Order: sequence, then C-alpha cells, then structure tokens
Amino acid sequence: DIQMTQSPSLLSASVGDRVTINCKASQNINKYLNWYQQKLGEAPKLLIYNTNNLQTGIPSRFSGSGSGTDYTLTISSLQPEDFGTYFCFQHNSWPLTFGSGTKLEIK
Amino acid sequence: QVQLKESGPGLVQPSETLSLTCTVSGFSLTSYSVSWVRQPSGKGPEWMGRMWYDGDTAYNSALKSRLSISRDTSKNQVFLKMNSLQTDDTGTYYCTIHTNWGQGVMVTVSS
Repeated sequence: DIQMTQSPSLLSASVGDRVTINCKASQNINKYLNWYQQKLGEAPKLLIYNTNNLQTGIPSRFSGSGSGTDYTLTISSLQPEDFGTYFCFQHNSWPLTFGSGTKLEIK
Repeated sequence: QVQLKESGPGLVQPSETLSLTCTVSGFSLTSYSVSWVRQPSGKGPEWMGRMWYDGDTAYNSALKSRLSISRDTSKNQVFLKMNSLQTDDTGTYYCTIHTNWGQGVMVTVSS
C-alpha cells in the first residue's frame, strides 16, 4: 500500500498568512493526488484534484503543486472560514489511500 | 444536482454484518463509479472499495475478505455489506464519487 505522510499534523496561522501543507507518498503517484477539506461533523470537500486542478466553486486562494512523491497545498491568504482538517488522497494505486490529516487552526 | 445519501443501522452487534445503502441522484451509476470510505472518529479516512460504472468492483485488500459491494441501477442504489464486525469498525461511513460525498452514516459496533 502507498503510505501518504502529511506535514505538519497541526498548523496554527493568522488570517492573511500564506499556508502550505505537504504530502509525501511512499512511491510515485503520477500526480493522481487530491486535496480535501473537512470540518467537524461534515463530509470531506474536494478542493484540488490531480495535483493542481481547482474544483469548481473553490476560491482561487487554494492551489496545489507537486510531482512524483511530493505534493503541496497552498492557501495564499488564509481566511477565517479555512479552518478545518485537510487530507491528501492518492488515486494512482490500489488501495487508494488518504493522508493522516493536517488540522489548521486560525490564530 | 448530484446527491448521495447513506442509510443503514446506527448500531451493530459485534460479529454481526453491516448493511448500508447509498442512494444517488443527479447522475447514473452506469456513468460514475461510487466508492465507500469510512472514518473512525478523530482519525483519517480509509478507502474501503468501489463499484465501477461498468459493474466491476475493487476492494481494499485489508477488508476484502469481509466486504462486498453491489448495486441496483434501477433503484440508483449501491450497497455495502461487511461481516464479522468488531469495535474498531466503529466510525462514519460515506459513499462518494470523490467530487461529491454523502452526509455519512455513523455506525457503532457495540453489544
């Protein structure tokens, strides 16, 4: 199974900050990497698919990059509504696997 | 619009079988593949398996011996059955096409 290691596990940042969350795969996942945001009691929400494609309706302050085994989610200017837990997800190889999550807190 | 909704029992006895239904609308099961994902409270999600648009299935090898996914296209429903449940199977179970998710159903395994 491909292991997805996210860092940091906890992130505290201020409104307006530029925030990056990293995800490292245990092997090449060929850019088949999605990012999800999850708020307490809600289902995950797709933000970015296939590394760098912004899902419809998602603000442009969210962006993704990466290749091979290393991927990054960037929030260019953090907004109060961006709190929550962020998960990466690889859909290159079976079984599909999620990262362990990054909890983003707003200072 | 695309919608998915899970239904099933909230409480299952240890060693019993879990049966969940995902009812979809706004798209065809013969055009989109539906996955089941579960999430223990406070932990990351785990992909369980998928019903492909062509009727084929794929399973997480860790669950394959206990898991079965099927569908009824006439009713727009996808089914999950998992046997021999234990307490660590407790969590929220979602069906998803990855762009859209159901609201989830909380399943507790307890006597």
